[in-house]
Amino acid sequence: NAGVTQTPKFRVLKTGQSMTLLCAQDMNHEYMYWYRQDPGMGLRLIHYSVGEGTTAKGEVPDGYNVSRLKKQNFLLGLESAAPSQTSVYFCASSPGTGGWIHEQYFGPGTRLTVT
Amino acid sequence: ELKVEQNPLFLSMQEGKNYTIYCNYSTTSDRLYWYRQDPGKSLESLFVLLSNGAVKQEGRLMASLDTKARLSTLHITAAVHDLSATYFCAVDKKGGSEKLVFGKGTKLTVNP
Repeated sequence: NAGVTQTPKFRVLKTGQSMTLLCAQDMNHEYMYWYRQDPGMGLRLIHYSVGEGTTAKGEVPDGYNVSRLKKQNFLLGLESAAPSQTSVYFCASSPGTGGWIHEQYFGPGTRLTVT
Repeated sequence: ELKVEQNPLFLSMQEGKNYTIYCNYSTTSDRLYWYRQDPGKSLESLFVLLSNGAVKQEGRLMASLDTKARLSTLHITAAVHDLSATYFCAVDKKGGSEKLVFGKGTKLTVNP
């Protein structure tokens, strides 16, 4: 079991460029999440999904879009990158059985720099 | 709105000493999670506390949950350098929720 994987691990973008971050999990989890982590800010939820074909906004959704076309994948898109989106991005998944989250399992992170 | 506060946010301690990290939350919950993050790494699950009075221990770390006080503690016994990391608590709203709410984390440094 690979658990939760993220692609890419590092990326440098110029302002205005677009990119997609891919998260994949092989644990058959229902719930998936995208967070960003900035110094002194802890983890902030960007978007999440409670099942294939569903998405919902988190705490800081502006400037990001997501899709969950397959249960095992959760994509995070930046349409027009801004320096304020420089951050470390973590994907997580959770069984989500019966409405309970259970614990979340995190991917290794993607370090994104926007210049 | 569920809020989670950890204190202290920064903790520098000597090897061999004991200390406690506190996690307070604002609304009723009976599920609490502790995570560890090493510098430059991802978050790793440490403990899952599922009911009032729950206590879990692993090595030099012990976590407990008091749902009446809306408080969880992470106690460190005889700290060693390998425990240096950032520790996060996260809370699940009572009755179930789609999201966890995380505290800002406690950065622990254990000095020789």
